[in-house]
Amino acid sequence: DIVMTQSPDSLAVSLGERATINCKSSQSVFYRSNNNNYLAWYQQRPGQPPKLLIYWASTRESGVPDRFSGSGSGTDFTLTISSLQAEDVALYYCQQYGSIPWTFGQGTRVEIK
Amino acid sequence: QITLKESGPTLVKPTQTLTLTCTFSGFSLSTTGVGVGWIRQPPGKALEWLALVYWDDDKHYSPSLNPRLTITKDTSKNQVVLTMTDMDPVDTATYYCAHRLGGHGTSYTFDYWGQGTLVTVSS
Repeated sequence: DIVMTQSPDSLAVSLGERATINCKSSQSVFYRSNNNNYLAWYQQRPGQPPKLLIYWASTRESGVPDRFSGSGSGTDFTLTISSLQAEDVALYYCQQYGSIPWTFGQGTRVEIK
Repeated sequence: QITLKESGPTLVKPTQTLTLTCTFSGFSLSTTGVGVGWIRQPPGKALEWLALVYWDDDKHYSPSLNPRLTITKDTSKNQVVLTMTDMDPVDTATYYCAHRLGGHGTSYTFDYWGQGTLVTVSS
């Protein structure tokens, strides 16, 4: 199984400031067959199901605000919220979907400082 | 508009078999590239992928749970059923089903999720 490790486990950021979450995979999730990183980011607000934010490591899902961006390749990835808003308080998960079993990180909690 | 909804028992006893149904609308599981998967989340813990069935009836399971899991689809009813045998208190979790689409310009991962159903395993 590919193990996904996120850091930090939690972070507190002031409104309007940048939040950065890291995700590291135990094996590369880049596949030359279609030149893509099989890496997604989800947001989970309390009591809600996960919401897809980013796929292919850096492609924003339709309707997701452009303050959310994803970067990285191979085994190291980052989710950045450029200007934190109150509604961004949530758990964030990375997920690899290139190798069965699909696996998730342990989650990163984002709070307001 | 794609929607999914999970249904099943909220309480099961240890050693019993859990049967969950995902009823969906807004897409067909006979369309090339479509899949429906199951993911669970124990209270206060992370997400865990369980199983996935594709439009062509290809099926994949979590290796750690494989012997206990079965996923089936009923295209005519727009339903996917997950069964998990030999339930244990550690299987207490919210169980989600989710839609996946593969093909040009799509994400290939779970883009629509149901609200989830909490299953408690207790005697």
